[in-house]
Amino acid sequence: NAGVMQNPRHLVRRRGQEARLRCSPMKGHSHVYWYRQLPEEGLKFMVYLQKENIIDESGMPKERFSAEFPKEGPSILRIQQVVRGDSAAYFCASSPGQTTDTQYFGPGTRLTVL
Amino acid sequence: AQSVSQHNHHVILSEAASLELGCNYSYGGTVNLFWYVQYPGQHLQLLLKYFSGDPLVKGIKGFEAEFIKSKFSFNLRKPSVQWSDTAEYFCAVNLYGGSQGNLIFGKGTKLSVKP
Repeated sequence: NAGVMQNPRHLVRRRGQEARLRCSPMKGHSHVYWYRQLPEEGLKFMVYLQKENIIDESGMPKERFSAEFPKEGPSILRIQQVVRGDSAAYFCASSPGQTTDTQYFGPGTRLTVL
Repeated sequence: AQSVSQHNHHVILSEAASLELGCNYSYGGTVNLFWYVQYPGQHLQLLLKYFSGDPLVKGIKGFEAEFIKSKFSFNLRKPSVQWSDTAEYFCAVNLYGGSQGNLIFGKGTKLSVKP
């Protein structure tokens, strides 16, 4: 009974490069959420997706960030032209179906921008 | 905007001491409430949750929390902490019935338990 999987666990990028973070939800879960945790801060919501649909992206920065959850395969959070301020831990969570279901979190991807 | 406040940034206790971590939220409507724990080097795990019913909720590892609607609070308690409870604790709120499914987190409270 695998939990939420994220890869890579650690990602190092130089300024201006692209970062791709992957999230495979728990089996049977159709809702995926991405959160970002900056140092000394709590988690901040970024985006909520269902298969092939973005439901709520109110927490996503307007530029350089995008997310998708295709019909097949993992959800991907993409950050183009990374800057030092993007350095953070990015967590993915999944839930079965209702927006008020419990969310189960993955181990996170720690992004470091040099 | 809705927010969640955790009053203590860092709490240091000796083993067997009692624990209470404060959590307040700002939202007038119906909410679902959660406490998550993040042990060193591990991912967030659900400790307990409140959706409806008995406002005193029991979770894993001897933790409990009480929802007091009039105070907009959901404080976490444990009668006797252990060294293994050293972790960071996050309170979170989900707005019931909203189109958004996101959790609103507090900034977290680091708990250090001295053996």
